[in-house]
Amino acid sequence: KAGVTQTPRYLIKTRGQQVTLSCSPISGHRSVSWYQQTPGQGLQFLFEYFSETQRNKGNFPGRFSGRQFSNSRSEMNVSTLELGDSALYLCASSAGLAALIGQYFGPGTRLTVT
Amino acid sequence: AQSVTQPDIHITVSEGASLELRCNYSYGATPYLFWYVQSPGQGLQLLLKYFSGDTLVQGIKGFEAEFKRSQSSFNLRKPSVHWSDAAEYFCAVVIMNYGGSQGNLIFGKGTKLSVKP
Repeated sequence: KAGVTQTPRYLIKTRGQQVTLSCSPISGHRSVSWYQQTPGQGLQFLFEYFSETQRNKGNFPGRFSGRQFSNSRSEMNVSTLELGDSALYLCASSAGLAALIGQYFGPGTRLTVT
Repeated sequence: AQSVTQPDIHITVSEGASLELRCNYSYGATPYLFWYVQSPGQGLQLLLKYFSGDTLVQGIKGFEAEFKRSQSSFNLRKPSVHWSDAAEYFCAVVIMNYGGSQGNLIFGKGTKLSVKP
C-alpha cells in the first residue's frame, strides 16, 4: 500500500497570503489528522476529519481550516499568513478513531512564511 | 492540564550501548500512551503503544517501553543501539473527550538521539 502523501513538500509564502496544503491518506483510511510542528511549540494537533466531518479540533485560530473530500483526501488552508505559521505541517491517516489506533504520518509540508 | 514531559532534550549513546528515553505524563484517567520516532526529513513512525494490560510493551525495531502508573512514566528502552536509531523520539498521550468517542494526541517536546560509532 502506498503511504500517506502530502503536497507540496516545500512552500514559501509571503505574510498576508493564504496557502492550501493537500494530504492523501492510505487507501481505505477514513480519518485524517493534521499537526503543526515547530521548534518552539513542538507538535500540536490542529484538527481531525472523519468521513468528511471535522471530528476534533485543536486550539488554533480560525485562520486555520480544513476539509475532507469523499475520497478521504484532505486539504488544510491557512489564511492571512503570519511569520509564526512557518512550520512543518504533518498529516496522518488512520482507519478509525485516529488517536487510539495509531496513525500513519506523511513526510510533511515545510511552509516558510517571509 | 494534561501534559507529556520528556526531560532529556538530547542524548548521545555509543553504538551497542543500551538506551532509555524518559517520558512522564500528567493525566487523570488511565492513559493511552505512544512512542513515535522521526528521522530527519521524515514524518513520524509509531514504535509502540500502551492501552492496558501488560505494563511492558514490545514495539518495532527492538524497542520496548514500560508503563509505571506509580511514577506516571512510560520510558522507552532498547538493549543495544544501532547507528540507524539516530532520530528524534516523541512520547505522546491521547486525550479523550468526555464521551470517549474522539481524542487527539498530545506530544512531548521530543528527545533527539545521537549515536556515536
